[in-house]
Amino acid sequence: GQSLEQPSEVTAVEGAIVQINCTYQTSGFYGLSWYQQHDGGAPTFLSYNALDGLEETGRFSSFLSRSDSYGYLLLQELQMKDSASYFCAVRDSNYQLIWGAGTKLIIKP
Amino acid sequence: KAGVTQTPRYLIKTRGQQVTLSCSPISGHRSVSWYQQTPGQGLQFLFEYFSETQRNKGNFPGRFSGRQFSNSRSEMNVSTLELGDSALYLCASSLDVGGGETQYFGPGTRLLVL
Repeated sequence: GQSLEQPSEVTAVEGAIVQINCTYQTSGFYGLSWYQQHDGGAPTFLSYNALDGLEETGRFSSFLSRSDSYGYLLLQELQMKDSASYFCAVRDSNYQLIWGAGTKLIIKP
Repeated sequence: KAGVTQTPRYLIKTRGQQVTLSCSPISGHRSVSWYQQTPGQGLQFLFEYFSETQRNKGNFPGRFSGRQFSNSRSEMNVSTLELGDSALYLCASSLDVGGGETQYFGPGTRLLVL
């Protein structure tokens, strides 16, 4: 079956750096996406990696290694507003997005 | 440009009833995907429509169905509601089939089945 694994919860301190990992096992691979969802809100797009390497967008970066079926989201200079759930999603051979269960990021002052 | 809109935002139904949810995508987007999200869970893919055709379907029973109109607006229907259908139903639109690189989500319809 197809699956994406990510930690259920991560805790970090305001101003610190945190990395959220995602490993995937899917039939085919077109790209890895990351979405952020605040409590009670809708998911919003953060980043997309189709090729190996690091993509940087402000305080957020996303990394992909296709040979390891692995990616991560890196959040720097954490702010309280970054407290949210983060989902990784992979587009499989049917061009369908398969989602991880999400990682709840808890930020302490 | 207006975002994705979903109606209604909240809904309470009883077991056995049926419900229809509506989604209007961003103007110009032809792909609409539907997801079910239960507390603490990820997004479970229901189905995707592109240019009025169902392109992908998730692993849900036949009680869950949908359609897309020529203006790209989409509806999903759940018949014979069960308690376990209580969830947040999210719709997402994108330019291309499969969600392209980015999906834009609506605020969701929160369904409670009693």
